Amino acid sequence: TQLLEQSPQFLSIQEGENLTVYCNSSSVFSSLQWYRQEPGEGPVLLVTVVTGGEVKKLKRLTFQFGDARKDSSLHITAAQPGDTGLYLCAGAQTGANNLFFGTGTRLTVIP
Amino acid sequence: KAGVTQTPRYLIKTRGQQVTLSCSPISGHRSVSWYQQTPGQGLQFLFEYFSETQRNKGNFPGRFSGRQFSNSRSEMNVSTLELGDSALYLCASSLTAGGYGYTFGSGTRLTVV
Repeated sequence: TQLLEQSPQFLSIQEGENLTVYCNSSSVFSSLQWYRQEPGEGPVLLVTVVTGGEVKKLKRLTFQFGDARKDSSLHITAAQPGDTGLYLCAGAQTGANNLFFGTGTRLTVIP
Repeated sequence: KAGVTQTPRYLIKTRGQQVTLSCSPISGHRSVSWYQQTPGQGLQFLFEYFSETQRNKGNFPGRFSGRQFSNSRSEMNVSTLELGDSALYLCASSLTAGGYGYTFGSGTRLTVV
């Protein structure tokens, strides 16, 4: 059983399009992290959000943490082929010494 | 600064054998966590070590074990390998325990035949 469900599971879009990836849970998290993983490599941390309702922007990427700290979204504007990869959300819970990873969204941006 | 180094990158083992994987964290990082990544289950937490002490363990059988040395380097061992142990094993280091600010290594791809 996964604590964090991501949708969609797969996404294939044309270069220049916008997209949103969702990360949902029935559990509350003290913080939510987003990672991108490329084939043959480990995940790379993109952002950490810690406050309910928080919005963070990283160039063309916008991350939002839900008000109730149970969900998050990642929006990419004008996607580029370099955005291709596996996007993973991961939640931390108070008292737990590990992250709970989401099911992942595999994004392909076609030139 | 050097990143998280995992060795070896690839391993092929036979069922019933045992294997040891190594992880060298970023200098100054005292927390090392291990995760198993498979297509079906995604990333599953194995264990976390901080200052040579295991702080948390995931829901894996006792065949999976680990340790951390005084220089923060960590090893994980899997005994009596099963086909289902085939996976990418990822190590992540951070300054503090608790899953904040992970830096992952490139992983060890283990194939059990």
